[in-house]
Amino acid sequence: AQTVTQSQPEMSVQEAETVTLSCTYDTSESNYYLFWYKQPPSRQMILVIRQEAYKQQNATENRFSVNFQKAAKSFSLKISDSQLGDTAMYFCAFLNNFNKFYFGSGTKLNV
Amino acid sequence: SAVISQKPSRDICQRGTSLTIQCQVDSQVTMMFWYRQQPGQSLTLIATANQGSEATYESGFVIDKFPISRPNLTFSTLTVSNMSPEDSSIYLCSVDLSRTEAFFGQGTRLTVV
Repeated sequence: AQTVTQSQPEMSVQEAETVTLSCTYDTSESNYYLFWYKQPPSRQMILVIRQEAYKQQNATENRFSVNFQKAAKSFSLKISDSQLGDTAMYFCAFLNNFNKFYFGSGTKLNV
Repeated sequence: SAVISQKPSRDICQRGTSLTIQCQVDSQVTMMFWYRQQPGQSLTLIATANQGSEATYESGFVIDKFPISRPNLTFSTLTVSNMSPEDSSIYLCSVDLSRTEAFFGQGTRLTVV
C-alpha cells in the first residue's frame, strides 16, 4: 500500500521569503506520479506542480519547484518569493498505477 | 482540462436523513472518484465510479452507507445515507483525464445536526 507523509502540520513564512514543505512517500511501484495540491479556504483543490517518477529532472512552475529524490522517496515543494495568495493548505499526493490518489495529511502555510 | 460542478455547495441536515450530492463534468470521463475530507484532515477516497458498472469502494466504506450512481460519462451522484454527526465532512468529486492531473469539484460541506 502507498502512504504519503507530511511531517509539518503548519508553517509560516514572510512575504517574499522562501519556504520548503516536506513530503515523503512509500511505494513498491517503479513508475508513478507525484503532485502538490493547494487548497485555499474556498475548498477548491488546485494543482500546483506534478512530477513523473521516471523523470530525473525536478519540475518547476514559476515560483514553485520540487526536490524529487526517488531513492529517498522524498518530494519537497519550494515556494520562492512567497505571496499572501499562497496562504492555503498544501497536500502532497501520490498517483499509483491503478489511478488512485493517496494524499498526505497536509501542511497549513501562513504567509 | 475539466470543469466540475458539484451541488449542493453546502447543506445542514438532520441526523437519520440522507443527502445526495451531484457531480457534473464538462467532458466525458471513464472514472470518477468520490473523496471525504473530515474537518482538518486530508482527503480519503470513498469509491471509484465507472459508467455501466457498480462502484468500487475503499476499505471502511460500504454501498449501503454511500450509494453511488453513474448513469453516464459526465455525471455521478453520491448519497450519504442515514446520516450521523460523524458524517459531517467535505465531500469532493474528482476526475483524472490522463493520469497527469486530477480535477476536483469545489466540494460539498455537509453538517449533520
